[in-house]
Amino acid sequence: QKEVEQNSGPLSVPEGAIASLNCTYSDRGSQSFFWYRQYSGKSPELIMSIYSNGDKEDGRFTAQLNKASQYVSLLIRDSQPSDSATYLCAVPRPGGGADGLTFGKGTHLIIQP
Amino acid sequence: NAGVTQTPKFRILKIGQSMTLQCTQDMNHNYMYWYRQDPGMGLKLIYYSVGAGITDKGEVPNGYNVSRSTTEDFPLRLELAAPSQTSVYFCASRTALGTHFGELFFGEGSRLTVL
Repeated sequence: QKEVEQNSGPLSVPEGAIASLNCTYSDRGSQSFFWYRQYSGKSPELIMSIYSNGDKEDGRFTAQLNKASQYVSLLIRDSQPSDSATYLCAVPRPGGGADGLTFGKGTHLIIQP
Repeated sequence: NAGVTQTPKFRILKIGQSMTLQCTQDMNHNYMYWYRQDPGMGLKLIYYSVGAGITDKGEVPNGYNVSRSTTEDFPLRLELAAPSQTSVYFCASRTALGTHFGELFFGEGSRLTVL
C-alpha cells in the first residue's frame, strides 16, 4: 500500500512571502507526482504535476522532486490571500495508475494579509 | 463544457436507507473514480472504472456498489446507509491518453449525512 505523508498544518505564511509545502512518499517506483489545491467546501483542482527530478516552474508555483529522497515539495512565491487553501499531494496507485491516485491528508495553508 | 456533474449536492439519509449518487462526464473519459473525503483527511478511493462494463474495488468499497453501463455515467449506490458513510463524495474522471497519469477532473462533490 502506497503512503503519502504531509504535515497537516496549519501553515501560516505572511502575504508576499514564500510558502513551502512538503510531501514524502513510500513507493520508490512512483513516476508521477501531483499537487492539488482544495478550497474549503470545493473540489480539488490540479495545480502542478512533475515527473522528473529537479524543479518545474509555472508562474508563482514551483514543484521540486527528489526521487532518491522520495520527497516532493511545492513552493508558492509572493503568496496571496487567495492561496489560502488545503494542498493535497498525490501519486498514482499500484497497477500503473488505472486505479487512480493516492492522496495525502493535505496541508492547510493560511496566508496572512 | 459541463465536465463532471454530480447529483445531488446535499442529502440527508436515515440509517438503513439506500440511495444512488449520480455522476456524469461529457469529456469521453475512459477512467472514472469515486472518492470519499472525511474532515481533515485526504481522499479515499471507493470504486473505479476503466471503461464501460468494467469496475473494480478501491480502498474502502464496503457498503457501496457501482455500475458503468455507458462511458458517461458512473453511479454510486449506498445500500443500508450507516453513520460511518457520512462524508463528502467526489466523482472524478481522466483520459487514458499519454504515458503519464493525466489530470483528474473532479465533480463538485455530494455531501451526505446519515442520521
